[in-house]
Formats: sequence, C-alpha cells, structure tokens
Amino acid sequence: NAGVTQTPKFRILKIGQSMTLQCTQDMNHNYMYWYRQDPGMGLKLIYYSVGAGITDKGEVPNGYNVSRSTTEDFPLRLELAAPSQTSVYFCASSAGLALDGELFFGEGSRLTVL
Amino acid sequence: AQSVSQHNHHVILSEAASLELGCNYSYGGTVNLFWYVQYPGQHLQLLLKYFSGDPLVKGIKGFEAEFIKSKFSFNLRKPSVQWSDTAEYFCAVVNAGGTSYGKLTFGQGTILTVHP
Repeated sequence: NAGVTQTPKFRILKIGQSMTLQCTQDMNHNYMYWYRQDPGMGLKLIYYSVGAGITDKGEVPNGYNVSRSTTEDFPLRLELAAPSQTSVYFCASSAGLALDGELFFGEGSRLTVL
Repeated sequence: AQSVSQHNHHVILSEAASLELGCNYSYGGTVNLFWYVQYPGQHLQLLLKYFSGDPLVKGIKGFEAEFIKSKFSFNLRKPSVQWSDTAEYFCAVVNAGGTSYGKLTFGQGTILTVHP
C-alpha cells in the first residue's frame, strides 16, 4: 500500500536554483494538493488539482508551479529558489473535495534554500 | 477568510495525565471540523472529524473532540495519554460553502510530548 509517495525527502538548494518535488498516488484519487508547513504556522495550501489537466492556486502559490498530466502525478516546481521557500512540503490526495477531511498525505519533503 | 487557531504550541504531559488541546476557528457559516495527527517520522493522518449531529465525536486511539458552536471551538481530549501519543496535532476546518469551498484550513499545530 504505497498511498502518496513524495521525493526527495530532503534537499538543499542554493538561491536561484530550480527543482521539482515529485508526488505520486496510487489510489486513483482525482484531487491532489500541495501544502507547505512552516514552524508555528500550520499547513498552507500552495496549489491543488481536481483532476488531470486542471489545477488552481491555493493560499500561497507565488514562486511555485504545478502540472497534472496524469491522475497519479502532481509535481511541484520551484523555478528560482528563495530562502523564504525553506519549508517542509506535503503532497496529499483525496477521492473527493476536502469536505470529508479524508486527505491522504505523503511523508513530506524538507527543503532548505541557502 | 477563515482561520484556525491552536492556542498551545507545545504541551508536555506525563503518562496517564488528561489531555485537552484547544482549537478555535473564525467563520460564521457551516463548517466541517477535523483533527489530524502526525507521529514522529510519519505522515499526517485523520484522527477524527465532525460534520453534524452529536457535538461529541470519538476518533481513533481513545481521542474525542467536542464541537461548541457558540464558542467556535473544537477541542481535542483524551482522558489518559500514553507515551505513544507523542505527536503533533493539527486542527483543520473546511467551509461547507462559500469561496473557500472544499479547501481545508489548518491550525498552527500543537506538539504533544508525553513522558513515560
């Protein structure tokens, strides 16, 4: 039972570098989400997708891009890394909209930008 | 915009002590409420949820939460904690309508440390 798989688990970037956080789910969920977690700030929604080919901004989308070419994959791209993007990133998926709260989370990706 | 506030950043208890973690939200409309837990090194998982009906809801591992609409609160409780309850706990709210329909808003999280 893989569920939601994120890679990499840890990464250190230099300012201005770019990278992609990968997220894959094997539950055939239509809805996928990217959150970032900062100490004392909870989880903030970056982007979400309601199905292949459809994405929308969340609460804190600046500096990030996403794509959803397949149901399974929802990569998050950082084009020009900045220290403010140092955070722990969580990918999640759900069968429906988050109204029933049944989000399934990945284990997180810890990103440090120096 | 809705917001969720968890009052305690870090709670330290001894085993068998009772637990109550506070959660307040700001939204005047209909909401669904949740508590998530993140054990060390693991992913977030749903602990319990409230949609409607009995305001006292029970979740996994002996946790329960009470929804008090007049206080906009959804506090998490457990009568007797165990060392294995050491984790970070997140309260979350989702609008059942409005512009933020279907999007979860999380609180800041409370780290619970239970000493054996």
